[in-house]
Amino acid sequence: QVQLQESGPGLVKPSETLSLTCTVSGGSVSSGSYYWNWIRQPPGKGLEWIAYISYSGSTNYNPSLKSRVTISVDTSKNQFSLTLRAVTAADTALYYCARDRWVEYSSDWNYYGMDVWGQGTTVTVS
Amino acid sequence: EIVLTQSPGTLSLSPGERATLSCRASQSVNSNYLAWNQQKPGQAPRLLIYGASSRATGIPDRFSGSGSGTDFTLTISRLEPEDFAVYYCQQYGSTGYTFGQGTKLEIK
Repeated sequence: QVQLQESGPGLVKPSETLSLTCTVSGGSVSSGSYYWNWIRQPPGKGLEWIAYISYSGSTNYNPSLKSRVTISVDTSKNQFSLTLRAVTAADTALYYCARDRWVEYSSDWNYYGMDVWGQGTTVTVS
Repeated sequence: EIVLTQSPGTLSLSPGERATLSCRASQSVNSNYLAWNQQKPGQAPRLLIYGASSRATGIPDRFSGSGSGTDFTLTISRLEPEDFAVYYCQQYGSTGYTFGQGTKLEIK
């Protein structure tokens, strides 16, 4: 059974760079059809998708964050990471990593949802 | 960017009742790319429905999803005490994923 575990600094100063890592256990970040996501949730608010990286290394970013975000994968450590530059108080949130799955069928794609989530790691910018 | 608007914001019902949650998109969504997630306090979200109407593994059949185009619905046929939570719809479009703002289902 695949499990995800986020890790990160907890507290970051304004204008600095936030780095988070998600460690995958019970499966491989290189497994076909799987995409690896970062999502965040400000205190008392809803969910905001940040970025994904696919099993093949393709990436996609939330347009509102794209200029400050990089997602990467380390297959040797079975981890994927998020870097968020020039943080402000608005970046204070609970950050989740999550897995989802896409399968191509006859020139269309089927989406199977974000079926595995980490427990989240709290980041405070102050 | 496709904006998802969920209604109502809060739904107050009693165990045993039927719950109907709505998710409306600002433009047409491929129903294959529409999911519903449940979040309880202090927990990570949990996938309930994908492809607008397919239940995820282990999800009870009292949960059902329907809809197409811009209007999607999550229905809980008979509420159990553990169903009181916040529900988010989610879609994938040309600019990536977006979530609705959530519907809080609370005990009346």
